Amino acid sequence: GAVVSQHPSRVICKSGTSVKIECRSLDFQATTMFWYRQFPKKSLMLMATSNEGSKATYEQGVEKDKFLINHASLTLSTLTVTSAHPEDSSFYICSAAQLNSYEQYFGPGTRLTVT
Amino acid sequence: GIQVEQSPPDLILQEGANSTLRCNFSDSVNNLQWFHQNPWGQLINLFYIPSGTKQNGRLSATTVATERYSLLYISSSQTTDSGVYFCAPRDGFYGGSQGNLIFGKGTKLSVKP
Repeated sequence: GAVVSQHPSRVICKSGTSVKIECRSLDFQATTMFWYRQFPKKSLMLMATSNEGSKATYEQGVEKDKFLINHASLTLSTLTVTSAHPEDSSFYICSAAQLNSYEQYFGPGTRLTVT
Repeated sequence: GIQVEQSPPDLILQEGANSTLRCNFSDSVNNLQWFHQNPWGQLINLFYIPSGTKQNGRLSATTVATERYSLLYISSSQTTDSGVYFCAPRDGFYGGSQGNLIFGKGTKLSVKP
C-alpha cells in the first residue's frame, strides 16, 4: 500500500515552454501533497505544500507564478513549470500524506531538462 | 529552522559488514523518518520513528528525541543497500496541518561485492 506515482519520469523541453508534472496517490487519499526539488548529489528542498481544494503554500524563495501547483482531488496534484529555463532543470519529487498521518510517501521523481 | 546533520557523509562497506548511520538535529521534533534513495532516485520509506527502536529485517532504527539524535543500523549489508540514506525530522505543525520534513544531506553508502 501507499504507492505514489509521477508522470512523466523524464521530460526534455525547450526554453520558454511550460511543463506539467502529475503526482498521484494510487491506493490512498492524500489530503496533503508536497513538492520537492533535488539538485545533483544534494538533499531534497521543499518547494510547496498543497492541501486538497486549497491554494498551495510556497516555501520562501519559490516563485508561485513560475511553479503552479494544483491539488484538485484527493489523489492528484500537478506541478506546472511555466516558461521553463535551463536553470529549472532538476529532479522534481512529490510526496503524499493521508489525513491525520504524519508519514509521507514519495513518488519516483521526474527529471526535467530544459534546453 | 531545524538543522539536520548526518554522518558519515560517505561510507564504503564490504558486503556482509555492519554499519551505523547517525542523524543529529538541533531542535525538538515531533516525528522523524528515514529513507533510502536508490540509484534511480526513488525514495523508499524505511522507518517512521518519532522515538524508541524499530526493526525491519536487517535494518533497525533508534530515535532518542530528548537527546536529539537518531541512528540507523544496517547489518549484513548487501550490494542492493547501496544508495543515499536520508534522515528527515519533522519540524512541528505548519498552518494547522502536518509539519514539514527537514532533510539532512544524506549518507551515501556503497556496498562492494
